[in-house]
This record gives sequence, C-alpha cells and structure tokens, in this order.
Amino acid sequence: DIQMTQSPASLSASVGETVTITCRASENIYSYLAWYQQKQGKSPHLLVYNAKTLAEGVPSRFSGSGSGTQFSLKINSLQPEDFGSYYCQHHYGTPPTFGGGTKLEIK
Amino acid sequence: QVTLKESGPGILQPSQTLSLTCSFSGFSLSTSGMGVGWIRQPSGKGLEWLAHIWWDDVKRYNPALKSRLTLSKNTSSSQVFLKIASVDTADTATYYCARVDSAWFAYWGQGTLVTVSA
Repeated sequence: DIQMTQSPASLSASVGETVTITCRASENIYSYLAWYQQKQGKSPHLLVYNAKTLAEGVPSRFSGSGSGTQFSLKINSLQPEDFGSYYCQHHYGTPPTFGGGTKLEIK
Repeated sequence: QVTLKESGPGILQPSQTLSLTCSFSGFSLSTSGMGVGWIRQPSGKGLEWLAHIWWDDVKRYNPALKSRLTLSKNTSSSQVFLKIASVDTADTATYYCARVDSAWFAYWGQGTLVTVSA
C-alpha cells in the first residue's frame, strides 16, 4: 500500500497568516492527490483533488500543488472558519490511503 | 443536492456482524462513473478507507479487512450496505459513507458512531 505522511502533525497560527501543510507519498502518485478539511465533530469536506483542482465552492485562498511524491496545501490569509484538521489522500488506485492529519489551531 | 446518511446499530458485541446502511439522494448509482465508499475514523484518530462500490457493481475492498467486508447496493432505493463480520473493540469508530467521484470522496454523510463492547 502507498503510505501518506503529513507534516506537521499540528500547527498553531493566527487569523490573517499564511500556512502550508505538506504531504509525502511513499511512491510516485503523479497528481492523484486530494485534500480534506474536517472540523471538530463534523465529517470531512473535500477541498482539492488532482493535486491542485479546487472543489466546488472552496475559497480561492486555498491552493494545492505538487506532483510525484511531494505535495502541499497552502492557505492564504487564514480565516476563523479554516481552523480544524486537514487530511491528504492519494487517489492513485486502491487502497486509497489517507495521511495522518494536520491539526490547525488558533494561536 | 447530494446528500448521504449512514445508519447502524449504535452498539454491538464482539464477534457479531455489523450492518451499516448508506441512504443517499441527489445522484443515482445506475449512472456511469458513480460510486459510494465507506471510510471510518476511531475517535481522535485518522481516516481509514474500507471499501467502495461502483455503478456497475464492481467492488473494491481494503486488503487488510477484505475477508470481513461485504458490500452490496440497491439502486432503486438509493442505498448501499456494508457488513463487517466478527467485530471487536478495534472496530469502534465513526463510519462514514461518501460519494466517490473518480477516486476522491466528493460528498460525505454525517457519520454514524459504532461502539463494540461486551
């Protein structure tokens, strides 16, 4: 199975800051990567697929990049509603595995 | 509007079979390319993909759990069913169903908490 490793595991930032979360795949997954946001007690919500395509309704302050084994999710000008956990997931065949998550907290 | 909702027993005992239902609306599993998947999340932990089923009845299972999983669907009632045999405490988690678009999970249900306890 392809292993997905996210960093950092947790991150503290202030409203208005820019943050970047990274995700590394154990083998080449081309651009087959998705990102999800999950708020406490809620189900995950799709943000990005195919590494850089924003899902419908996702604000433009979110952006995804990368290919191969290294990927990142950047959030410009953090808003209060952006705090929560973020997960990457490869969608290059089965099983589709998730990263361990990054918890983004308010500083 | 796409919606999905999971239902399950809430609590069950070790060695029993867990039966979960995903009821959805806003799309049809008879449409080419459509799929529904199951993902679970133990409290405070990460996400684990379990299985998914496609419009043409092709099924894919997590190899680590494959021997215990059974997926089926009822297209006319817009439901997908997942059974997990021989549960134990490690199967305690919130179980989500989600619509699979190509290979990512575009829409998620609210989740159903399943507790395995003697």
